[in-house]
Formats: sequence, C-alpha cells, structure tokens
Amino acid sequence: DAGITQSPRHKVTETGTPVTLRCHQTENHRYMYWYRQDPGHGLRLIHYSYGVKDTDKGEVSDGYSVSRSKTEDFLLTLESATSSQTSVYFCAISEPGGGTEAFFGQGTRLTVV
Amino acid sequence: QKEVEQNSGPLSVPEGAIASLNCTYSDRGSQSFFWYRQYSGKSPELIMSIYSNGDKEDGRFTAQLNKASQYVSLLIRDSQPSDSATYLCAASDGAQKLVFGQGTRLTINP
Repeated sequence: DAGITQSPRHKVTETGTPVTLRCHQTENHRYMYWYRQDPGHGLRLIHYSYGVKDTDKGEVSDGYSVSRSKTEDFLLTLESATSSQTSVYFCAISEPGGGTEAFFGQGTRLTVV
Repeated sequence: QKEVEQNSGPLSVPEGAIASLNCTYSDRGSQSFFWYRQYSGKSPELIMSIYSNGDKEDGRFTAQLNKASQYVSLLIRDSQPSDSATYLCAASDGAQKLVFGQGTRLTINP
C-alpha cells in the first residue's frame, strides 16, 4: 500500500465521543488526503493537506478536523462522533508533478453506535 | 459541484470477453483521469492514468479519453474472474484533488 499505514483499522465508538484516526506515510509525499467511502456515494474528500500545517477542506468536512505537524503524519479527528459518521475512512497520498496519482492506505472501518 | 458519473452496475461479462466501463465528468477544467480497482473490503488500487485525448494501453487494459465529450472509458480485454471488482473513475482539476465516481461493480462469469 505504497508505505501508508492507517490506525486503527477498526473502531467502534459511542455517539458524542471524540475519535482520532491516524495516517502515517514513509514516502515523503507532500499531499495527504482523508476520504470517506459510503455505499452509493463513492469516495468523498473530507480534508487534505499540502504541507506541514497546511490543510484545507474537502466536500464533506463538517464535523471533522485535521492536523499535520509532521510530513509523515496526518490526523483526522471527529470532535463528537455521530451515527452519520459511520463509514470506511481512507487516507491517500500524492506528490506534485505525478499527475495527482493518489495511493491509498488500507482503510479504517469506523462504527458509531 | 464537480461531478464524475459512472453506471453503478452490476456489469456482468463472460470470461474471455471485453469489459467496457464508462465515466463522464462535469468539470471541463479536469486535466488528469484515473481508474482504480477496488476488491471487496480492500483499498482502491491505481490501475490506469490518462492525461491526453486518445487511447493508452497497458497489458489487457486500455483507457480512452475524449475531452470534447467529457468521457473516459476503460476496456479490459480477455476478462478474467480475478478482474471482478468495483472500478472507480476519478478526475483531477490540476489542484491535486481527485473527484471520484460512485464506482461500477464488474463481475466476470467463468
């Protein structure tokens, strides 16, 4: 998976609790992304980062925040988890000049009960 | 809203035949196009990228791009059961962000 590790791989949490998902890369790629995948919606961009401490919103960013303090780590936080955030979350990386070819981590299956 | 549209399928093709997957996109500024394959329970895997009009071949896979019609396709020749998966089409506007279609589920029947 192109040197991308997501943790945890599976998580069950209760409504209203904070949750942090971690993405770690060993490729030294500048860009990192968080997507969620739901049946009938494909992959939708939540947030992305174009460098350390440089982040921006995607199309479904409400209820999520991100941080990138090091090139290799990109964290996704659900401040107060809701059932609508039950999904599979994928981290991806890409490098400028590569035509935006993105490579994905293994995914995190999050269930909010 | 930039959109990428795919027929969700399922598309059923006999083994050894050609599978044809199609995709349209709404943003005329899109510059790069990608096909990902995703097996059930796994992450998307990049199989083809195409940047200019015409055909691009890689083994049994051929990607076709027509920017005037805003149309991208993927042909899989000599389809194998191992090709059974969901195929995701994606487009980039050059801002290092990808927009994905919903995916087409392909089943190759032995």
